Amino acid sequence: SAVISQKPSRDICQRGTSLTIQCQVDSQVTMMFWYRQQPGQSLTLIATANQGSEATYESGFVIDKFPISRPNLTFSTLTVSNMSPEDSSIYLCSVQVRGARTEAFFGQGTRLTVV
Amino acid sequence: GENVEQHPSTLSVQEGDSAVIKCTYSDSASNYFPWYKQELGKRPQLIIDIRSNVGEKKDQRIAVTLNKTAKHFSLHITETQPEDSAVYFCAASPGSSNTGKLIFGQGTTLQVKP
Repeated sequence: SAVISQKPSRDICQRGTSLTIQCQVDSQVTMMFWYRQQPGQSLTLIATANQGSEATYESGFVIDKFPISRPNLTFSTLTVSNMSPEDSSIYLCSVQVRGARTEAFFGQGTRLTVV
Repeated sequence: GENVEQHPSTLSVQEGDSAVIKCTYSDSASNYFPWYKQELGKRPQLIIDIRSNVGEKKDQRIAVTLNKTAKHFSLHITETQPEDSAVYFCAASPGSSNTGKLIFGQGTTLQVKP
């Protein structure tokens, strides 16, 4: 299994500002994933964060809006830039751990409200 | 890219009845299909998964079936209990390498009435 810690767990931010979300894993992983879950909706993949290279973004998401860092194999950050109320969502990081049972684990999420 | 469709969006059953949730996917190369349960305010938790070399997998009251030809898979919960009430998401790992990247269905809100 994997223990994933996300910070902050929640925040209320003013529009036009930026928020950086941290994701720490208790083991080394090759890929980390960032998802957005809008209120009452499913999880949508934002990007894949690889250590030592630029993140790979999914359609509809761009680096200027969601810059990602991946300085080592246990840590990543997602920044939500120039926020608007439409960015109010839960943001989750995820990693896959290979072992007896290969599965993807999720952090507890960061609940962001933009006012 | 991969697209996952999930039905129904809501499902209400009496305690003890069975519940079935169905998903279809588009990427024929996908070979890993997990199901997650998300309780209100909590993170998604894996409840069962299936790989394309298997047609069915069962874990106590939960089972998943996969039809690779038709590109659909289903979650079956038998003898439902009130604590099964939650949102359930199916997902597919696009491509054949199963990197941990997942594309999710829209979710099904299951309500089990006592």
